Amino acid sequence: DAGVTQSPTHLIKTRGQQVTLRCSPKSGHDTVSWYQQALGQGPQFIFQYYEEEERQRGNFPDRFSGHQFPNYSSELNVNALLLGDSALYLCASSLRGLAGNNEQFFGPGTRLTVL
Amino acid sequence: DAKTTQPPSMDCAEGRAANLPCNHSTISGNEYVYWYRQIHSQGPQYIIHGLKNNETNEMASLIITEDRKSSTLILPHATLRDTAVYYCIVRVLMEYGNKLVFGAGTILRVKS
Repeated sequence: DAGVTQSPTHLIKTRGQQVTLRCSPKSGHDTVSWYQQALGQGPQFIFQYYEEEERQRGNFPDRFSGHQFPNYSSELNVNALLLGDSALYLCASSLRGLAGNNEQFFGPGTRLTVL
Repeated sequence: DAKTTQPPSMDCAEGRAANLPCNHSTISGNEYVYWYRQIHSQGPQYIIHGLKNNETNEMASLIITEDRKSSTLILPHATLRDTAVYYCIVRVLMEYGNKLVFGAGTILRVKS
Protein backbone atom coordinates (compact mmCIF):
# COMPACT_ATOMS: atom_id res chain seq x y z
CA ASP A 1 0.00 0.00 0.00
CA ALA A 2 1.70 3.14 -1.23
CA GLY A 3 1.93 6.00 1.16
CA VAL A 4 1.88 9.67 0.24
CA THR A 5 4.31 10.49 -2.53
CA GLN A 6 5.62 13.88 -3.63
CA SER A 7 7.63 15.11 -6.56
CA PRO A 8 10.17 16.43 -7.11
CA THR A 9 12.24 15.83 -3.98
CA HIS A 10 14.38 18.91 -4.49
CA LEU A 11 13.96 22.00 -6.62
CA ILE A 12 15.99 25.16 -7.19
CA LYS A 13 14.35 28.26 -8.66
CA THR A 14 15.20 31.93 -8.95
CA ARG A 15 13.19 34.88 -7.70
CA GLY A 16 10.16 35.73 -9.83
CA GLN A 17 9.81 32.25 -11.30
CA GLN A 18 6.86 29.95 -10.87
CA VAL A 19 6.90 26.41 -9.47
CA THR A 20 4.54 23.44 -9.40
CA LEU A 21 4.79 20.69 -6.80
CA ARG A 22 2.89 17.42 -6.99
CA CYS A 23 1.37 15.04 -4.49
CA SER A 24 -0.29 11.63 -4.69
CA PRO A 25 -2.31 10.74 -1.60
CA LYS A 26 -2.28 7.48 0.29
CA SER A 27 -4.50 4.86 -1.27
CA GLY A 28 -8.11 5.35 -0.21
CA HIS A 29 -7.66 8.96 0.91
CA ASP A 30 -9.69 11.75 -0.68
CA THR A 31 -8.44 14.90 1.05
CA VAL A 32 -5.10 16.61 0.51
CA SER A 33 -3.57 19.32 2.66
CA TRP A 34 -0.44 21.33 1.95
CA TYR A 35 1.96 22.70 4.55
CA GLN A 36 5.04 24.92 4.35
CA GLN A 37 7.91 24.30 6.76
CA ALA A 38 10.64 26.91 6.99
CA LEU A 39 13.96 25.87 8.44
CA GLY A 40 13.78 25.35 12.19
CA GLN A 41 10.02 25.87 12.40
CA GLY A 42 6.97 23.67 12.52
CA PRO A 43 4.85 23.14 9.41
CA GLN A 44 2.32 25.87 8.60
CA PHE A 45 -1.03 25.05 6.98
CA ILE A 46 -1.43 26.44 3.45
CA PHE A 47 -4.73 24.96 2.25
CA GLN A 48 -6.82 21.81 2.01
CA TYR A 49 -8.51 20.26 -1.04
CA TYR A 50 -11.51 17.99 -1.14
CA GLU A 51 -13.72 17.12 -4.10
CA GLU A 52 -11.43 19.14 -6.36
CA GLU A 53 -12.09 22.37 -4.49
CA GLU A 54 -10.10 24.41 -2.03
CA ARG A 55 -12.02 24.04 1.22
CA GLN A 56 -9.89 25.85 3.75
CA ARG A 57 -6.95 28.20 3.53
CA GLY A 58 -4.28 29.35 5.92
CA ASN A 59 -2.63 32.76 6.04
CA PHE A 60 -0.88 32.59 2.69
CA PRO A 61 -1.08 35.07 -0.22
CA ASP A 62 -2.82 34.41 -3.51
CA ARG A 63 0.54 33.59 -5.08
CA PHE A 64 -0.06 30.17 -3.56
CA SER A 65 -2.69 28.21 -5.43
CA GLY A 66 -3.56 24.60 -5.91
CA HIS A 67 -5.55 22.02 -7.71
CA GLN A 68 -6.97 18.61 -7.01
CA PHE A 69 -7.64 16.09 -9.76
CA PRO A 70 -10.41 13.47 -10.01
CA ASN A 71 -7.95 10.78 -8.85
CA TYR A 72 -7.41 12.87 -5.66
CA SER A 73 -3.83 13.82 -6.52
CA SER A 74 -2.96 17.46 -6.06
CA GLU A 75 -0.65 20.23 -7.19
CA LEU A 76 0.66 23.26 -5.36
CA ASN A 77 1.59 26.26 -7.50
CA VAL A 78 3.59 29.23 -6.30
CA ASN A 79 3.94 32.29 -8.55
CA ALA A 80 6.42 35.16 -8.40
CA LEU A 81 8.74 33.30 -6.08
CA LEU A 82 10.40 35.17 -3.23
CA LEU A 83 13.50 34.23 -1.28
CA GLY A 84 11.23 33.66 1.72
CA ASP A 85 9.40 30.89 -0.12
CA SER A 86 12.41 28.64 0.38
CA ALA A 87 11.12 25.82 2.54
CA LEU A 88 10.13 22.19 2.77
CA TYR A 89 6.66 21.77 1.27
CA LEU A 90 4.71 18.91 2.77
CA CYS A 91 1.63 17.21 1.45
CA ALA A 92 -0.66 15.30 3.80
CA SER A 93 -3.59 13.09 2.89
CA SER A 94 -6.56 11.95 4.91
CA LEU A 95 -10.12 10.73 4.65
CA ARG A 96 -12.64 13.51 4.76
CA GLY A 97 -14.64 13.81 7.92
CA LEU A 98 -14.60 15.27 11.37
CA ALA A 99 -14.33 11.92 13.11
CA GLY A 100 -11.47 11.24 15.44
CA ASN A 101 -9.66 8.68 13.35
CA ASN A 102 -8.89 10.66 10.21
CA GLU A 103 -5.27 11.36 10.96
CA GLN A 104 -3.21 13.02 8.25
CA PHE A 105 -0.38 11.04 6.67
CA PHE A 106 2.51 13.13 5.42
CA GLY A 107 4.70 12.67 2.39
CA PRO A 108 8.48 13.13 2.42
CA GLY A 109 8.21 16.70 1.20
CA THR A 110 9.71 18.79 -1.59
CA ARG A 111 12.67 20.97 -0.67
CA LEU A 112 12.35 24.26 -2.59
CA THR A 113 15.29 26.64 -2.71
CA VAL A 114 14.77 30.11 -4.18
CA LEU A 115 17.94 31.96 -5.21
CA ASP B 1 -1.26 30.55 15.98
CA ALA B 2 -0.26 27.37 17.70
CA LYS B 3 -2.52 26.31 20.53
CA THR B 4 0.18 24.27 22.28
CA THR B 5 3.37 25.00 24.18
CA GLN B 6 6.21 22.52 24.61
CA PRO B 7 9.72 22.66 26.07
CA PRO B 8 12.23 23.35 23.29
CA SER B 9 14.40 20.33 24.06
CA MET B 10 14.78 17.27 26.29
CA ASP B 11 17.35 14.55 26.82
CA CYS B 12 16.61 10.92 27.63
CA ALA B 13 18.83 7.92 28.33
CA GLU B 14 18.49 4.98 25.97
CA GLY B 15 16.16 2.33 27.37
CA ARG B 16 14.44 4.71 29.75
CA ALA B 17 10.98 6.17 29.37
CA ALA B 18 10.76 9.54 27.65
CA ASN B 19 8.00 11.78 28.97
CA LEU B 20 7.21 14.75 26.74
CA PRO B 21 4.85 17.37 28.22
CA CYS B 22 2.50 19.67 26.36
CA ASN B 23 0.22 22.49 27.46
CA HIS B 24 -2.95 23.26 25.53
CA SER B 25 -4.96 25.36 27.94
CA THR B 26 -7.20 26.92 25.25
CA ILE B 27 -8.27 23.65 23.66
CA SER B 28 -11.96 23.40 22.78
CA GLY B 29 -14.17 20.54 23.84
CA ASN B 30 -14.26 18.85 20.42
CA GLU B 31 -10.61 19.34 19.49
CA TYR B 32 -8.28 16.38 19.50
CA VAL B 33 -4.68 16.33 20.66
CA TYR B 34 -2.33 14.75 18.13
CA TRP B 35 1.33 13.89 18.40
CA TYR B 36 3.64 13.65 15.42
CA ARG B 37 7.39 13.38 15.18
CA GLN B 38 9.79 14.46 12.49
CA ILE B 39 13.19 12.95 11.92
CA HIS B 40 15.76 15.09 10.13
CA SER B 41 13.44 17.00 7.78
CA GLN B 42 11.51 13.95 6.66
CA GLY B 43 7.72 14.20 6.60
CA PRO B 44 6.09 14.19 10.05
CA GLN B 45 5.13 10.74 11.28
CA TYR B 46 1.88 10.17 13.14
CA ILE B 47 2.30 8.76 16.66
CA ILE B 48 -0.97 8.90 18.56
CA HIS B 49 -4.01 11.05 19.24
CA GLY B 50 -6.75 11.40 21.84
CA LEU B 51 -9.72 13.46 22.92
CA LYS B 52 -10.06 13.02 26.68
CA ASN B 53 -9.21 9.43 27.53
CA ASN B 54 -5.71 8.06 27.84
CA GLU B 55 -4.57 6.20 24.75
CA THR B 56 -1.93 3.58 24.04
CA ASN B 57 -0.63 2.04 20.84
CA GLU B 58 2.46 0.15 19.76
CA MET B 59 4.54 3.32 19.67
CA ALA B 60 3.52 5.34 22.71
CA SER B 61 1.03 6.26 25.39
CA LEU B 62 -0.85 9.52 25.65
CA ILE B 63 -1.96 10.80 29.03
CA ILE B 64 -4.46 13.67 28.97
CA THR B 65 -5.34 15.51 32.18
CA GLU B 66 -8.94 15.52 33.29
CA ASP B 67 -9.35 19.24 32.50
CA ARG B 68 -7.71 18.59 29.06
CA LYS B 69 -5.39 21.54 29.51
CA SER B 70 -2.24 19.45 29.23
CA SER B 71 -1.01 16.07 28.10
CA THR B 72 2.10 13.88 28.18
CA LEU B 73 3.46 11.63 25.48
CA ILE B 74 5.29 8.62 26.87
CA LEU B 75 7.78 6.57 24.88
CA PRO B 76 8.19 3.58 27.22
CA HIS B 77 11.68 2.45 26.18
CA ALA B 78 13.42 5.14 24.16
CA THR B 79 15.98 4.10 21.56
CA LEU B 80 18.50 6.16 19.62
CA ARG B 81 16.14 6.05 16.63
CA ASP B 82 13.57 7.98 18.67
CA THR B 83 15.75 11.10 18.46
CA ALA B 84 13.51 13.56 16.62
CA VAL B 85 11.40 16.70 16.90
CA TYR B 86 8.10 15.85 18.61
CA TYR B 87 5.08 18.00 17.86
CA CYS B 88 2.06 18.26 20.11
CA ILE B 89 -0.78 19.50 17.95
CA VAL B 90 -4.38 20.53 18.39
CA ARG B 91 -6.47 19.42 15.46
CA VAL B 92 -8.66 22.39 14.59
CA LEU B 93 -12.04 21.55 13.16
CA MET B 94 -13.13 23.62 10.17
CA GLU B 95 -16.30 23.80 8.15
CA TYR B 96 -15.16 21.24 5.59
CA GLY B 97 -12.47 19.34 7.38
CA ASN B 98 -9.66 19.94 9.78
CA LYS B 99 -6.14 21.29 9.96
CA LEU B 100 -3.16 20.59 12.15
CA VAL B 101 -1.73 23.65 13.90
CA PHE B 102 1.91 22.93 14.65
CA GLY B 103 4.03 24.71 17.23
CA ALA B 104 7.80 24.67 17.43
CA GLY B 105 7.95 21.18 18.94
CA THR B 106 10.36 19.51 21.38
CA ILE B 107 13.73 18.22 20.22
CA LEU B 108 14.19 14.88 21.98
CA ARG B 109 17.75 13.60 22.14
CA VAL B 110 18.12 9.98 23.18
CA LYS B 111 21.63 9.28 24.43
CA SER B 112 23.44 6.01 24.98
